[in-house]
Amino acid sequence: EAGVTQFPSHSVIEKGQTVTLRCDPISGHDNLYWYRRVMGKEIKFLLHFVKESKQDESGMPNNRFLAERTGGTYSTLKVQPAELEDSGVYFCASSPRWGSLAGITDTQYFGPGTRLTVL
Amino acid sequence: LAKTTQPISMDSYEGQEVNITCSHNNIATNDYITWYQQFPSQGPRFIIQGYKTKVTNEVASLFIPADRKSSTLSLPRVSLSDTAVYYCLLNFGNEKLTFGTGTRLTIIP
Repeated sequence: EAGVTQFPSHSVIEKGQTVTLRCDPISGHDNLYWYRRVMGKEIKFLLHFVKESKQDESGMPNNRFLAERTGGTYSTLKVQPAELEDSGVYFCASSPRWGSLAGITDTQYFGPGTRLTVL
Repeated sequence: LAKTTQPISMDSYEGQEVNITCSHNNIATNDYITWYQQFPSQGPRFIIQGYKTKVTNEVASLFIPADRKSSTLSLPRVSLSDTAVYYCLLNFGNEKLTFGTGTRLTIIP
């Protein structure tokens, strides 16, 4: 079974430009999450999709960030316009089921991340 | 407010057993305790998860006392390849994960 994949692995852009990150979750996983680590700080949650719907976007820093998951499969995270403080590593994760069953806590499987550098 | 507290770093020699303790005094009834491992330039990787008592899998054991206010990840006979950052997290269902600073484990030859 293929794991979570992310594209690109690295992206270097100039301030003010637009960048789109892509995440392909494990096939069949309802839940898709975006996280990021900026400048040596802790990994922080950005948002959570359940299929194509945004379940929790409380971690999105501002309206320069737009996430989509059309069709409930892969997801994109667009940063427009990019700022210097957006530099960091963006991780995507997925887990199987939506709906908390008694005694079930699903494992989140992470992708390798996209390293974004804004100059 | 951090949900878990763990040592910032630890060193150990190859072949030894390593125990990393995590404190979670405010753990909720529904919370599970989950440990992730992260190598440089990679995403976090699930190691083990438990709710109470002891859980063992092919790579680690997790010890959780009755009050569940702490937990200990045990790595048997570590090797150089176990050098990584280890995160202790609390989670339930499909909720987001809240990462702390983790424990940077360095294995010495």
